[in-house]
Amino acid sequence: AQKITQTQPGMFVQEKEAVTLDCTYDTSDPSYGLFWYKQPSSGEMIFLIYQGSYDQQNATEGRYSLNFQKARKSANLVISASQLGDSAMYFCALGPPRGQNFVFGPGTRLSVLP
Amino acid sequence: GAVVSQHPSRVICKSGTSVKIECRSLDFQATTMFWYRQFPKQSLMLMATSNEGSKATYEQGVEKDKFLINHASLTLSTLTVTSAHPEDSSFYICSAIRQGVSYNEQFFGPGTRLTVL
Repeated sequence: AQKITQTQPGMFVQEKEAVTLDCTYDTSDPSYGLFWYKQPSSGEMIFLIYQGSYDQQNATEGRYSLNFQKARKSANLVISASQLGDSAMYFCALGPPRGQNFVFGPGTRLSVLP
Repeated sequence: GAVVSQHPSRVICKSGTSVKIECRSLDFQATTMFWYRQFPKQSLMLMATSNEGSKATYEQGVEKDKFLINHASLTLSTLTVTSAHPEDSSFYICSAIRQGVSYNEQFFGPGTRLTVL
């Protein structure tokens, strides 16, 4: 069975600082994808970044980067230069790259302090 | 990114009535859509997978007769909560799958907040 763990229920970060949100996963599939989503208070899920299990390099998208450590089964999200608008819930998800079964972690609430 | 709309965004109804929620992919065709339920301060819980032209696949513990799903076209899936009760009050989110270059992209609707009185 697939499982996603996010051990940080809540995180605080000072504006303009970098923050790392933890995500560990468990799967027996050799091919899988890891997704990060942001959910602001409005409720909409916003896609941030994707990492494939066979990708040689860590994914980056603007201020978002993924610290992918395959042997440790971790895919931590790094947000650089935090902004007040980054305050939201962040969910890590696991699923087959071409499949349809996504499993979401419990989420981490990030609060950016001015 | 692609756009998925969801309507209504908020609905309040009396106990015993049925409520229909629409999910539309506006700029791409989606053979697969998902319906999720989210309780306050919790993660998304997959309710069912909606496939165009076939019956929906429900997750364990989700009542098929309670939550009716119809995927009538490649751009529209509907979720009908039948005979709604207060315990059905929740945030319902749909998503649509689009095949990307190296992985399937999942685009979410803005969600529907259902309150059953």
